[in-house]
Amino acid sequence: DIQMTQSPSSLSASVGDRVTITCRASQSISSFLNWYQQKPGKAPKLLMYAASSLQSGVPSRFSGSGSGTDFTLTISSLQPEDFATYYCQQSYSTPHTFGQGTKLEIK
Amino acid sequence: EVQLVQSGAEVRKPGESLKISCKASGYSFTNYWIGWVRQMPGKGLEWMGIIYPGDSDTRYSPSFQGQVTISVDKSISTAYLQWSSLKASDTAMYYCARREYDVWGKGTTVTVSS
Repeated sequence: DIQMTQSPSSLSASVGDRVTITCRASQSISSFLNWYQQKPGKAPKLLMYAASSLQSGVPSRFSGSGSGTDFTLTISSLQPEDFATYYCQQSYSTPHTFGQGTKLEIK
Repeated sequence: EVQLVQSGAEVRKPGESLKISCKASGYSFTNYWIGWVRQMPGKGLEWMGIIYPGDSDTRYSPSFQGQVTISVDKSISTAYLQWSSLKASDTAMYYCARREYDVWGKGTTVTVSS
């Protein structure tokens, strides 16, 4: 199985901050990398696919980059509704493993 | 509208069987893989497996192989996740999602308790 490691596991930030979350794969996954946002009691929401493609309807303050084994999700200017848990996932090969999550909290 | 509608919350005793469902609408069901994801209370997302409704080709995570069965009924555009003998550790929220992971069900809570 491909292991996905996110960092940090938690992060405190303020509205308006620029935030970056990192995801590393245990082997190359090309650009088969998705990012999700999950709020308590809700299903995950796809933010980015193919590492850098913004899912329809997702604000442009979200961006993704990377290929191979190292990837980042950046939120350019945090909004109150962005405080949530974020997950990466590889869809290169089954099982489509997730990272352990990054909880983004209000400072 | 493309959507996946999951069956309601379930409460079972250890050792009992269970089958939960995920009904698709708004797209061609047989052309898209559907997967299942587990989320234990307060924990992260775990990919369980995926099925192609067109031919029932199924892939399981090694962690879930032999523990659950994923199936489909093409005639009613519905995917299933089933257990033959539940354990307390199966208590979790279970989500179905289309393979592109752009469409998710709202989740089915399964509680296993004596």
